[in-house]
Amino acid sequence: DTGVSQDPRHKITKRGQNVTFRCDPISEHNRLYWYRQTLGQGPEFLTYFQNEAQLEKSRLLSDRFSAERPKGSFSTLEIQRTEQGDSAMYLCASSFGQGFSQQETQYFGPGTRLLVL
Amino acid sequence: EDKVVQSPLSLVVHEGDTVTLNCSYEVTNFRSLLWYKQEKKAPTFLFMLTSSGIEKKSGRLSSILDKKELFSILNITATQTGDSAIYLCAGLYSGTYKYIFGTGTRLKVLA
Repeated sequence: DTGVSQDPRHKITKRGQNVTFRCDPISEHNRLYWYRQTLGQGPEFLTYFQNEAQLEKSRLLSDRFSAERPKGSFSTLEIQRTEQGDSAMYLCASSFGQGFSQQETQYFGPGTRLLVL
Repeated sequence: EDKVVQSPLSLVVHEGDTVTLNCSYEVTNFRSLLWYKQEKKAPTFLFMLTSSGIEKKSGRLSSILDKKELFSILNITATQTGDSAIYLCAGLYSGTYKYIFGTGTRLKVLA
């Protein structure tokens, strides 16, 4: 399978615990995005990487959230001291782009569903 | 604030019906509009629209963009139960790489 993959697919944790999610983008894609989706809502942008550089972060990304893409390939999203409000689907997407292209399409992974008890 | 609004929020039809889903957007510097289909997993790409008035088609699905009136429609003809999903519309704006998504339209097609 050459699509975007995410691990784990499901995560249940207790409030206050730390969790880490992994995303493996499509291999030739230089751009990687994290979104969060809650029930009944569309995905909300969290952060964006071009290669290993984190170029954009949403104000939704509180200090408890951190994302890395150390070698410009896979990325991790860590949530520290989880809260019940963090329960959501965390989606990763990737694309190949240069500059601000009109034709760039983001391809999404299956998501990690987080439940904080 | 940039936003994307979809209507209706939900829709129930019978197999064979034709449906039209709406997406309107407020934009500062619009680049393109995208449609995705989401079942119980990742959104899958349907269309990207950048030019006004040019219809894009894929099988029973088609979509068109009106950049003057700031909206797009997604048509599905001869609906099938497999079309049941959430249809998401997203705007992509100049100066940013992020998509702004609407809340989606939940379509249910009954046999």
